[in-house]
This record gives sequence, C-alpha cells and structure tokens, in this order.
Amino acid sequence: GAGVSQTPSNKVTEKGKYVELRCDPISGHTALYWYRQSLGQGPEFLIYFQGTGAADDSGLPNDRFFAVRPEGSVSTLKIQRTERGDSAVYLCASSSRAGGTDTQYFGPGTRLTVL
Amino acid sequence: GQNIDQPTEMTATEGAIVQINCTYQTSGFNGLFWYQQHAGEAPTFLSYNVLDGLEEKGRFSSFLSRSKGYSYLLLKELQMKDSASYLCALTRFNTDKLIFGTGTRLQVFP
Repeated sequence: GAGVSQTPSNKVTEKGKYVELRCDPISGHTALYWYRQSLGQGPEFLIYFQGTGAADDSGLPNDRFFAVRPEGSVSTLKIQRTERGDSAVYLCASSSRAGGTDTQYFGPGTRLTVL
Repeated sequence: GQNIDQPTEMTATEGAIVQINCTYQTSGFNGLFWYQQHAGEAPTFLSYNVLDGLEEKGRFSSFLSRSKGYSYLLLKELQMKDSASYLCALTRFNTDKLIFGTGTRLQVFP
C-alpha cells in the first residue's frame, strides 16, 4: 500500500516568509509525528498528533511553528517568519496507534532552505 | 535527559560483519529502535527491541541490555547497498516520540 507522502519535496524561501509543509500519513494510521533533521544529525521531535489533537508539542522550537491535523489524516506544519536556522529536512511519520511501541513509518521529507 | 551515543562513522568490507553500538542514559524507556537511512532518503525501520536479548531478522540482528544501557545492531554478509546511516532511537515511558542518536555512517568497501 501507499506509504507516507510529503509535499513539496523541496522548498526554497526567503527569510521572513511563511511556509506550509504537508504530510499524508499511511491510511488508517491514527498517530502522526513531525521531526526535523539537520545535516549529520538524527531526527529531532517536533510534535505528535493522536487523531486530530496535538498530544505532545514539546518539540516545537518557538511560536513561529504550528501544526494542524483538522480531520485526523493529513497534517500541515506551518512556519511563520522563517529564519535561516529553520533550514533542515522536515520528516513526517505515522503509526497505527499511540503507545510508544508501534513502529513509526517515515515519509521522504521536505527539504526546506531559507535564504 | 536521555543521551544516546553512537560512533560517528564506521567502515567495513563487503561480505564482512559489522557491529554498530548504541549506549544511552535514561531512567526508563519502552523500547529501542534501529533505523537505516540512505543519503537523502527517509529513515527505514530495521528492528525493535523491548526485552533484553537478541532479535534476528535475516542479515540484521539487534541486541539490547537494559541493565548495561547498551544496544547494538549487527549486520552480516555486508553488501555495498548497506552503506547508509544507522540510527538508534528510543521511546520513553508515557511518550510516543522517538528520541534519536546522531546516527552512525557506515561505508562498505569492495
């Protein structure tokens, strides 16, 4: 079946602009996660949804970052007033249920470059 | 905190066996995951340990010792396509987020 998909695959923007990154999880997966990965580092947790609600947003670096999942499927990560330090690969993952032991399946990521 | 340490880089020869270690300091966790990540691609699930001991999956095996704060990923009969980064990650009790190490970049030479 189809895996996790993310769009766009690449996004180049200018400092100060607003961007939206989209994630389509595996069909039926109730849990959805956003991570950020800088070059040479492991992914870093941003936010996790169980259904429509954000169950844990402790990884969002500041209030410029926001994510939604209004219908419990597709999620959008929104970044306001982008800064050069936001440049990274943004990864989305989904799992069949929350519980800490279910395998998370990752999408291909969106490479964000802030000039 | 939960520091997760892995060697930064390793090299090995095609057909050989390589062991990638992961040590962590945490007061408790649900399970320990290993992911493979080729350059420019998404992490791909390899294995998961919740109990101490060895989990074998074909050429790949993963070991966990909770008392020693230690895990390893064992890759046998190395192939060129095994050149990738290998990420160790764990999930703590009552959370669902993966906490990753920095990854080990493995290069396999002919």
